[in-house]
Order: sequence, then C-alpha cells, then structure tokens
Amino acid sequence: DQQVKQNSPSLSVQEGRISILNCDYTNSMFDYFLWYKKYPAEGPTFLISISSIKDKNEDGRFTVFLNKSAKHLSLHIVPSQPGDSAVYFCAASAGRAGSYQLTFGKGTKLSVIP
Amino acid sequence: GAGVSQSPRYKVAKRGQDVALRCDPISGHVSLFWYQQALGQGPEFLTYFQNEAQLDKSGLPSDRFFAERPEGSVSTLKIQRTQQEDSAVYLCASSIGQGSHEQYFGPGTRLTVT
Repeated sequence: DQQVKQNSPSLSVQEGRISILNCDYTNSMFDYFLWYKKYPAEGPTFLISISSIKDKNEDGRFTVFLNKSAKHLSLHIVPSQPGDSAVYFCAASAGRAGSYQLTFGKGTKLSVIP
Repeated sequence: GAGVSQSPRYKVAKRGQDVALRCDPISGHVSLFWYQQALGQGPEFLTYFQNEAQLDKSGLPSDRFFAERPEGSVSTLKIQRTQQEDSAVYLCASSIGQGSHEQYFGPGTRLTVT
C-alpha cells in the first residue's frame, strides 16, 4: 500500500513556463516532506523541503506548497529550464514519531522542451 | 567537502554469490541509511544507523541481508546467496543527525544478479 503517491509518471513543459509536480500522501504521521531530483545513473539530489507546520517554502525558482487537510503537496518550478529535465521524487518522514526514514513516491519524469 | 561515495558503482553477481557494498558518508554525519531502488520505482528503506548503532532494520527483505557500521562512519551492506530479485540499485544516504530530515545520497551501486 503506497503511502506516498505521484500519480503522473511524466510531464512535459515548454521552457520558460511553470512546471507543477504533484504528490499525495496517506499517512497522517508524516510531518516533513522533501523533493529530490534525480538524473540517470546518479543518486537523488535534495532540492527543497517543508515542515508540516508551514504551507509554503520557497527557494529561488522552486516553491513547495503543502495542503495538510488534503494530504497533498506540490512543487512549482518557474521558469522551467532544460536543465530541470530529470525525475522528481516526493518523499516524506515522520520525525515526530522518531522515524527519519524517507518514504518515496514512484517519481515523475519532467521534460522541459527548449 | 566530499559527498557520499559508494563502491562499487556496478556489480554483477551470479545467483548464489555473496556481495558486499560499501558506503562512505559525508564526514561528521551521524545518521546513515540504506535504500533499495527497483527499476521504475522510488527508493525503499532498508536500514538505519545512528553512529554505530543499527536502530532500524525493518526494511531488510530477508535474513540474507546484513548491514554494519562498526566505527560509526563507513557502512557495508552484505547480501548473502544473491537471488535474481535482489537486482536493483542500492543507495546510501547520510544526514547530520537526529532531528535532521534532509538526507544526502550517494550515486548508488547497481547490482545485477544473473
């Protein structure tokens, strides 16, 4: 039973436009959420995170939004650049419960078209 | 400073062989995690160390899997009597310590069991 779901396996966006990647979770014990970016043959690279006490966190072109009541988060990239083309993983942890292991979604492959 | 390193990057084993995968975490990072990533899936948690103590091994799929971190730095994941279903990318991640959710990943070891 998947506790973190990324329902879109792929997404194509024109360069310069906004990319929106979505993630849903089911475990109400999750209190911290992270996005990772992964290029082929490399390990995941940490991108941005958000604590459950916040609803938004911004870092340059990347913004993560959290809707706790809907158990939904999204990553916005604006403007999108060709170098953003990668697989993006949503992950969650339950630090409040003493568990820092990450539970990942299956990923969304983003293609930014020049 | 150096990131997380893993060796070997690629390993081919015949079914029934034992393998050992090594992880060098970021210097000073207290927490170390191992994940298994099957093709087309997100990473899945295997085990967690805080210093030399293995605090959680609930994700290890069978007793053929064993991990250690004897001096609280380098870790080794050992798989005995490898099976075809063990074929995956094995990722190691480290984080600065308890209370920190952000994990930093190595490039992974791709294990192929023939």
